[in-house]
Formats: sequence, C-alpha cells, structure tokens
Amino acid sequence: QKEVEQNSGPLSVPEGAIASLNCTYSDRVSQSFFWYRQYSGKSPELIMSIYSNGDKEDGRFTAQLNKASQYVSLLIRDSQPSDSATYLCAVTDGYNKLIFGAGTRLAVHP
Amino acid sequence: EPEVTQTPSHQVTQMGQEVILRCVPISNHLYFYWYRQILGQKVEFLVSFYNNEISEKSEIFDDQFSVERPDGSNFTLKIRSTKLEDSAMYFCASSEEDRTTDTQYFGPGTRLTVL
Repeated sequence: QKEVEQNSGPLSVPEGAIASLNCTYSDRVSQSFFWYRQYSGKSPELIMSIYSNGDKEDGRFTAQLNKASQYVSLLIRDSQPSDSATYLCAVTDGYNKLIFGAGTRLAVHP
Repeated sequence: EPEVTQTPSHQVTQMGQEVILRCVPISNHLYFYWYRQILGQKVEFLVSFYNNEISEKSEIFDDQFSVERPDGSNFTLKIRSTKLEDSAMYFCASSEEDRTTDTQYFGPGTRLTVL
C-alpha cells in the first residue's frame, strides 16, 4: 500500500514567522511531488510542484525534496493569516494518479 | 485563466437513486480524473480517463460507477445506485499530458449528500 504521511497538526505559527510542513512517502518510484492548499469546504489548489532533489522557490514558498530519505517539505516564509489552511502533500506513483496525504492544518495567528 | 468547472455544486439524493456529476475540464487538456473526499478524510483517487477510455481505476470505482465524455467538453461521473457512504465531495481534475511531471488542476467540487 503506497502511503503519504503528514503530521495532522494543527501547526500554529505567529504572523511573519516561517511555517515548516513535512511529508514522507513510502514508494521509492514516486517521481513527482506536489503541495496543494485546501481551505475548508474547497478544492485543492496547487501551491508548488517539485521533481528533482533540492530546493525550489516560488515567492514566499520553498519546496524541498530528498528522494533518498523519501521526504518532501514546504516552507512558507512571512506567514500570513490568509495562509491558514490545510496543506496537502501529493505524489504520483508513475501512472499519473495523485496519492494524497491527510494534510497538515496550519493556523497563522496575528 | 482557464479553470475546471463542475456542476452542480451540491447534489442531494435519496439512497438508491442515480446521480450524474458533471465537469468541464480545461479545454486543451487531454487527461481527466475524478477524486473524492469524504468529510475529514484524505482526497482519494477514483479514476483516470484518456482518449475516451479509462486509464486506471481504484478499488473504490466499482460497477456502480461509470465515466463518460459525451461530447467535446463535458466529462461525467455516474453513480448508478447511491449508498449512504457515497456522501462526499467529488472533485474533477484535468492535466495536459500523461507525464508524471505534469500538474493536475482541480475543479471546485460537487458535494454529494445521500439520504
């Protein structure tokens, strides 16, 4: 059974701080990795994609991938209250379907 | 900006009834997907569709489920005889190419409530 694991949280950070979200996956053949943001009652919204080991930055977001450790993370710099949501880690298993983690709930307080 | 659309936003039905959930994928996308999310649970893959046939389906996607692309724009999910446990958010997604580096874009979802 291919699994994607995330800490459910809530992760609580003050406004302006860095939020660090982590994800591990079980299937070594996973090739592509995604972070989606989901507000309550809404659909997943793509934040970042990453395919190679290392860091990838996009604005306030940085995704980090370590395939040897089967680990992917998302850093959110200068966190804002509007970043409060559930962050979903997703991987593809080589057949293009997405396998999602349960998500980490982030709460940014003023 | 192109987006995936879904109708209806909320569907209430009686157990045993048939429902059809509709999606309009992004126009130049070739691959289409249905996912579902039971309240408080993970987003789960149901089925992928390419070139007018199913590419892959999950264990959830049993004989009660079917998908169809009836015309050049719509992509539908039919549940023949709904059960209470089919109550969930159903998300349609589409992607441009069947490469694992490509991104799936999600529609806003249909909330299905089975009474």
